[in-house]
Amino acid sequence: DAMVIQNPRYQVTQFGKPVTLSCSQTLNHNVMYWYQQKSSQAPKLLFHYYDKDFNNEADTPDNFQSRRPNTSFCFLDIRSPGLGDAAMYLCATSRGGLAGGQETQYFGPGTRLLVL
Amino acid sequence: QQQVKQSPQSLIVQKGGISIINCAYENTAFDYFPWYQQFPGKGPALLIAIRPDVSEKKEGRFTISFNKSAKQFSLHIMDSQPGDSATYFCAASTGSGNTGKLIFGQGTTLQVKP
Repeated sequence: DAMVIQNPRYQVTQFGKPVTLSCSQTLNHNVMYWYQQKSSQAPKLLFHYYDKDFNNEADTPDNFQSRRPNTSFCFLDIRSPGLGDAAMYLCATSRGGLAGGQETQYFGPGTRLLVL
Repeated sequence: QQQVKQSPQSLIVQKGGISIINCAYENTAFDYFPWYQQFPGKGPALLIAIRPDVSEKKEGRFTISFNKSAKQFSLHIMDSQPGDSATYFCAASTGSGNTGKLIFGQGTTLQVKP
């Protein structure tokens, strides 16, 4: 029944050691989003894909990259994690279309990243 | 101008009471206002949403009131239950192109006491 799946649920990495977070979806949605959510804060959009079109938020650090090899999968790569990158990373999807701004976004359970 | 301001930051309500969370925005281009509910360790899930052409939307115990002139909207939870204890985020979106960019409020942690 899971529609947006994130793996792993918990990830521990070392300062500066590259890490990849995974998201997959069974909804066949066109749009996939990555959000960063720090403790007691709102989710903050990092970037999103409409199909293969990548859209980066202006304030997303270069340290964060993303790949979407196919409709179902999307990856978040953190090239050199710093202590400030410790957060919950949420993947979300939406159908995409003319009324994209009014669509429901479906969130995964998140991956909690700890940087040592 | 892209911000959505949410209050209160935390809320404690007795079982059966009414929980009220308020949000305000500046950008008049926003045309979709969803509320998301997030339980600890889970991702946010859509609770209820409203478009600015209506002033109120009700789904079960949850009601959104929308005041376009004041640029404010609020979530009312009637007959609040302990199972409603969660963090609630209001959000706003513009229908820019074919994707939706959500601007979230800061969140309200609701605790409903038995």
